[in-house]
Amino acid sequence: EAGVAQSPRYKIIEKRQSVAFWCNPISGHATLYWYQQILGQGPKLLIQFQNNGVVDDSQLPKDRFSAERLKGVDSTLKIQPAKLEDSAVYLCASSRAGHPAFFGQGTRLTVV
Amino acid sequence: GENVGLHLPTLSVQEGDNSIINCAYSNSASDYFIWYKQESGKGPQFIIDIRSNMDKRQGQRVTVLLNKTVKHLSLQIAATQPGDSAVYFCAENTGTGGFKTIFGAGTRLFVKA
Repeated sequence: EAGVAQSPRYKIIEKRQSVAFWCNPISGHATLYWYQQILGQGPKLLIQFQNNGVVDDSQLPKDRFSAERLKGVDSTLKIQPAKLEDSAVYLCASSRAGHPAFFGQGTRLTVV
Repeated sequence: GENVGLHLPTLSVQEGDNSIINCAYSNSASDYFIWYKQESGKGPQFIIDIRSNMDKRQGQRVTVLLNKTVKHLSLQIAATQPGDSAVYFCAENTGTGGFKTIFGAGTRLFVKA
C-alpha cells in the first residue's frame, strides 16, 4: 500500500511571497489532515477534511492560509503572503474513519 | 535532516533496558489514543493505539497503558534498541467534530549503546 505523498520536500521563499503544498492521501482514506510542526513542538492541526468537506479549520489562520480538497482525494495548502513565523514542517496525513492517521514525510518551509 | 525535539523532555536509557514514556492528556471526552514515533526528517509513524474501553494494549515490544481517572497515558518499550531513538508523541482523539487527532508535546528518547 502506497503511503501519503507530499511535495515539494523543501521550499525556501521570501516573506510576503506565496507558496503551495500538495498532498496525495492513501487510497480509500476519506479523512485528510494538514498539520504545522514548528521545530521542537508537536504537530498542530490546521485543517481536517472529510471527503471534500471541511470538518475543522479552527486553527487555520484564514487571513493567509487556505486549503482545498477537490474531488475528495488530493489536497493543496496555500500560504499567501508568507510570514517569517510560518517557517515549519507542513505535514499531511490521512485516515479511515475511526482509525489512526498515517503521515507523509512533510514539506519543510523556510521563510527568509 | 530535520532535528525534531530540540527542546523536548528527554529520556535517556541504556540499550536493552525497558523505557517508559508518559503523557498527560487534556480532554476527558477523548476516547481514542495513539502513540507516534518521529525520527529526524520524517513524518510521525504510528506505533500503537488504544480505545477508552481498555486500560492496556500490547504490541510487539510495546505496551500502552491508559488511566482515564487521571487522564494519563504511558508507552512502555521492552528491550530498547538504538533504532528506538526518536521523539515520541501521544495523540488524543475525540469523536466530537469529526474524530480530530490532537498531539501532545512529545518526549525525546535517546538510547545509549
